[in-house]
Amino acid sequence: GAVVSQHPSRVICKSGTSVKIECRSLDFQATTMFWYRQFPKKSLMLMATSNEGSKATYEQGVEKDKFLINHASLTLSTLTVTSAHPEDSSFYICSAPPGLAGGLMPGNEQFFGPGTRLTVL
Amino acid sequence: AQSVTQLDSHVSVSEGTPVLLRCNYSSSYSPSLFWYVQHPNKGLQLLLKYTSAATLVKGINGFEAEFKKSETSFHLTKPSAHMSDAAEYFCARSWGGGADGLTFGKGTHLIIQP
Repeated sequence: GAVVSQHPSRVICKSGTSVKIECRSLDFQATTMFWYRQFPKKSLMLMATSNEGSKATYEQGVEKDKFLINHASLTLSTLTVTSAHPEDSSFYICSAPPGLAGGLMPGNEQFFGPGTRLTVL
Repeated sequence: AQSVTQLDSHVSVSEGTPVLLRCNYSSSYSPSLFWYVQHPNKGLQLLLKYTSAATLVKGINGFEAEFKKSETSFHLTKPSAHMSDAAEYFCARSWGGGADGLTFGKGTHLIIQP
């Protein structure tokens, strides 16, 4: 099946620094990827939609200047947490629906990455 | 707003007994619905999905779910629980057949008693 990877799996950083998280589709192309945030013992919250070749679409309440998303290619999206603070500590998960480049077939499931645990000290 | 409600935050069953995890959705039309499982420190794994085909959906590991439009429900069941089923379960919905961002329920923690 389709595989999505994330790197790093966990990262610890100091407050005020920036952290980049990568999401890769390993065996399929993804014109769209999604970034979610999961708080401890809580559900996943959609943060933004990453679009290859265009700007990301952010959900209401998500600061686009803080969470920078770049969809550099059909297999890579990055999320950069800028000027991280302890409240940004969370589990960040990406997903991608497989399909032909530029086309998304109805009924396609999404494949999720294993997640990245960010801890900001 | 479109939402997904998982009615139980925790469910505890004995090994070998049936499992029922409840999910209701709010929508003005038939959505695409999904159940995912998340084991500790692991990514989400799709159990099953409903995308306007058969209302009784069979998934992996013996799980199934029935879409009931009249009740706006998509409850997850399994006839006989196994210790390895202990995990967090998420019900989710999408607008566009699963190709768009998902809205998740808050999750149900399934505990299996020996």
